This record gives sequence, C-alpha cells and structure tokens, in this order.
Amino acid sequence: DAEITQSPRHKITETGRQVTLACHQTWNHNNMFWYRQDLGHGLRLIHYSYGVQDTNKGEVSDGYSVSRSNTEDLPLTLESAASSQTSVYFCASSEDGEQFFGPGTRLTVL
Amino acid sequence: RKEVEQDPGPFNVPEGATVAFNCTYSNSASQSFFWYRQDCRKEPKLLMSVYSSGNEDGRFTAQLNRASQYISLLIRDSKLSDSATYLCVVNVGTGGFKTIFGAGTRLFVKA
Repeated sequence: DAEITQSPRHKITETGRQVTLACHQTWNHNNMFWYRQDLGHGLRLIHYSYGVQDTNKGEVSDGYSVSRSNTEDLPLTLESAASSQTSVYFCASSEDGEQFFGPGTRLTVL
Repeated sequence: RKEVEQDPGPFNVPEGATVAFNCTYSNSASQSFFWYRQDCRKEPKLLMSVYSSGNEDGRFTAQLNRASQYISLLIRDSKLSDSATYLCVVNVGTGGFKTIFGAGTRLFVKA
C-alpha cells in the first residue's frame, strides 16, 4: 500500500546544530508539504513543492530549507536549530485536494 | 483576522448527543473545503470533503454556505470514539492552490 513516512519520529538536538527531517512518500504525488504544529496555532506551512526541483516558501519558512531531487522525498533542514523550532513537524503529500499526512516528527531543541 | 477561524472548544457532550461545529473563512476565492480529524499526538486525516450541495457520510454531515463564508460539520449520535480535534481546511484558488488549516475544535464525548 502507498504511504508517507517520516524519520526520525523523535529527535532531541542542541541549539545551533543542523538537523534534517526526512519525508518519503510512495503515492507518486507531485505536491509535498511541510508543516509545524504548535499549541494554539494549528498547522502552519513551512515549505512546499509542486514537483521535482520546485520549492516554495510557506508562512513560517525562516530558518528552514527544503530540496526536491525526486518525486518521493522532501527533506526539511533546520540550518541552525533554535529553541523556537521545538515543535511537531508533519509532512504531507497530495495530488489534487486531499492531503495525506505522515506520522509526524517530534523535535526538541535544547 | 485569521483566514480560517474555528471555535477551539472544547465541546463536552454525552454519548448519543448531536454536536455541530462551524468554521468561517475570509477569502471569497476559496475553492474547496474539507474537514480533517486529528487524534491526540497523531497526524490529521481526512474526514470528509465539503461540497456546495452538502454531503453526508453516515453520522456526519458537512455543509457549505458560500454567501456567508462558513462551513459546518454535524455529528449525530456521538460515540466515545468521536473524541478528537476537528480541523477545518480551505483551499484558496486553483492550480497553485494554497491550503489553510484552522486551529481545530476539540470534542470530548463522555459516557
């Protein structure tokens, strides 16, 4: 069955370190998204991609970057982790409308 | 004003009750609408799409009012398993769409 996975599921890191969160989907969807979810804010869009080599900034993109070298993967990189980036990160993919979400990565920056 | 607004709740209802959630959106160019369900510490999952004519799926009914720019979700005969957070989702425009998630409404169904 097609699916979307994220790794790691939990990560603790220190401020200033570079962190990469992986997202892999086997739906063959063109559209992929990264969100963060914090209490009181709901899901906020970090970056998104409509296809290979395409990336776009979302609502809260500062401090994050993505790359799309193939259809299946959209890794999210925190260039220099900050405590404000402690959050739950969800990756999602879609083709037309409905978004399918990965299980999330809980990131703690100390 | 937020682009998509929901009452955060929580709504505390007994089993068997009927409960309704509303969600308002600000962009009149919004094209498509959804309700997602999110269980604690889990990913959001699509509950149902919301069509202009309204739609029903078992105990769940979703309606869209474009003139007043709101969508609603009605849950009849609430079950304990309906306890979750319900997210209102709006896609603005077509092609290069923009998806906006509401912050969610929490529902607790008690025995």
